[in-house]
Amino acid sequence: AQRVTQPEKLLSVFKGAPVELKCNYSYSGSPELFWYVQYSRQRLQLLLRHISRESIKGFTADLNKGETSFHLKKPFAQEEDSAMYYCALRGGSSNTGKLIFGQGTTLQVKP
Amino acid sequence: GAGVSQSPSNKVTEKGKDVELRCDPISGHTALYWYRQSLGQGLEFLIYFQGNSAPDKSGLPSDRFSAERTGGSVSTLTIQRTQQEDSAVYLCASSRGMGGNTIYFGEGSWLTVV
Repeated sequence: AQRVTQPEKLLSVFKGAPVELKCNYSYSGSPELFWYVQYSRQRLQLLLRHISRESIKGFTADLNKGETSFHLKKPFAQEEDSAMYYCALRGGSSNTGKLIFGQGTTLQVKP
Repeated sequence: GAGVSQSPSNKVTEKGKDVELRCDPISGHTALYWYRQSLGQGLEFLIYFQGNSAPDKSGLPSDRFSAERTGGSVSTLTIQRTQQEDSAVYLCASSRGMGGNTIYFGEGSWLTVV
């Protein structure tokens, strides 16, 4: 079964501090992993996906198949990064398109 | 339209009543999804439509929930005999198809059952 676990409901850091939002997944095949972000009063939007290996707004995430993790990292947090972050998985081999989300982590960046 | 459109944006209903939530996907998007967002529960998958294929209904929590997609475009999520635990934000999303296509979300319909 597909499952995504985000162990932290809330992560609070000071501006300029490093950030790591944890995501672990359970899937037997080759998954596609994503991070979505929802800023206050805005709709949920894609932040980045593992296949692109890109950095968006200073955030990066590396897929670690050995640890079944896809943690989101940023070396220096900014106040505007405060938002709800969701890790998501789509089964690559089955290619059903169904996206399964974790429970989300609220990132609070304090001045 | 420019994005996924959902209506109503807010709905307050009495326990036991039926409600319908509507979703207009982005033009040309063949895939459409419904999710439920509850406090402390994250984003819960409900149902997924892809083209003319049979929908994936595996996430619907009970037989009180159903969804249709007419003409491969607009979708309606219906909740019959609403209960207080149905209170949540119902999110619709669409994408061009399967695989690595980006999924775009609507702003959601906030349902409150009193």
